[in-house]
Amino acid sequence: GPKVLQIPSHQIIDMGQMVTLNCDPVSNHLYFYWYKQILGQQMEFLVNFYNGKVMEKSKLFKDQFSVERPDGSYFTLKIQPTALEDSAVYFCASSLGRRSGNTLYFGEGSRLIVV
Amino acid sequence: GDKVKQSPSALSLQEGTNSALRCNFSIAATTVQWFLQNPRGSLINLFYLVPGTKENGRLKSAFDSKESYSTLHIRDAQLEDSGTYFCAVFYGSSGNKLIFGIGTLLSVKP
Repeated sequence: GPKVLQIPSHQIIDMGQMVTLNCDPVSNHLYFYWYKQILGQQMEFLVNFYNGKVMEKSKLFKDQFSVERPDGSYFTLKIQPTALEDSAVYFCASSLGRRSGNTLYFGEGSRLIVV
Repeated sequence: GDKVKQSPSALSLQEGTNSALRCNFSIAATTVQWFLQNPRGSLINLFYLVPGTKENGRLKSAFDSKESYSTLHIRDAQLEDSGTYFCAVFYGSSGNKLIFGIGTLLSVKP
């Protein structure tokens, strides 16, 4: 099936440092998402993104978080500065359309450990 | 998690047996997605459903939008079926936010 690639798969970072998580979505997809999962718990929505803009974000999407997709390259999630509670697995997803019309495909996740 | 409730939270099955997982919604859902998160952490798409049923091998899923629930039936459970099963529905002001349940942790034993 369609593949979403995430880089890096794992990263350990010192608290206060900046981290960028990269996502290569399915090639013809238009909508992009980030989710956060702590220790195999529930998948929590962070943000969705379309046409160069954030459409909706949750309370978990703190001011230290930002997303962009410059010139159709990687869809990135940047955290600056990182905090201990940012330790989690971050999943990127993409879909072709909006609302109920299209399946979301998820990457394998980027495991972030903030120490 | 309150908008999408999954049951049971955990389930242990003998290999070769059948079971059903359930997802109840407190929001108006027009489509449902079911995922399996395997022990490695990868999310595998199982079903994308509009109201009705779909079948894929030993898995069958049904979605009743009027009664606001969906089910996932597993027939002849195999060891590789172990993992966490999530259901999710679209919700939000943009209509494009997939909300997940807390998952059902399935363990299939020989």
